[in-house]
Amino acid sequence: AQKITQTQPGMFVQEKEAVTLDCTYDTSDPSYGLFWYKQPSSGEMIFLIYQGSYDQQNATEGRYSLNFQKARKSANLVISASQLGDSAMYFCAMREPLIYNQGGKLIFGQGTELSVKP
Amino acid sequence: EAQVTQNPRYLITVTGKKLTVTCSQNMNHEYMSWYRQDPGLGLRQIYYSMNVEVTDKGDVPEGYKVSRKEKRNFPLILESPSPNQTSLYFCASSPGTPSYNEQFFGPGTRLTVL
Repeated sequence: AQKITQTQPGMFVQEKEAVTLDCTYDTSDPSYGLFWYKQPSSGEMIFLIYQGSYDQQNATEGRYSLNFQKARKSANLVISASQLGDSAMYFCAMREPLIYNQGGKLIFGQGTELSVKP
Repeated sequence: EAQVTQNPRYLITVTGKKLTVTCSQNMNHEYMSWYRQDPGLGLRQIYYSMNVEVTDKGDVPEGYKVSRKEKRNFPLILESPSPNQTSLYFCASSPGTPSYNEQFFGPGTRLTVL
């Protein structure tokens, strides 16, 4: 069965430093999508970055980049130059292939709470 | 503006009192889902709908009902809420084409059942 694992319940990082949030996934299907979402204390889910299983390049979006290592089944999020506003919960998620007829269900990890220290 | 809206955003109710959380999207998406979020468990899918009048159970459907009479709306119904349904609920939508990278979430509904 598909599964997402985030092994870091909490992380601290100094402002302006880079931080890596770990995510490993398990699937036997060759076609899938990987997402990272940010959830601030206000509760909304903010999309950060997406990586498709067939994408050749690692995804980047501003200060966010995804370190995609397909053979190791890992999709770590790298945040460069951390800011105080980056303090939040971060979720890694995987989208199943639509052929499974589950409305493109997202499978989420347990999340990593990131705290940025001034 | 493309968005998913949910109402209410916050709700405190009592055990057994029927309630409905509404969800609406303005992007003409085929797929809509409900998730609940609980500490340490991430988000889990409750129900989903692939199109009008087509709904099916997700991973944690017990105690919930849904309907999809119109493409834009996907209400979540709790016929007899219980305290274990206290949670943060998200509605989500995505297009019907096989594009993996689009998944829009509503702002969330914080439900407390006393």
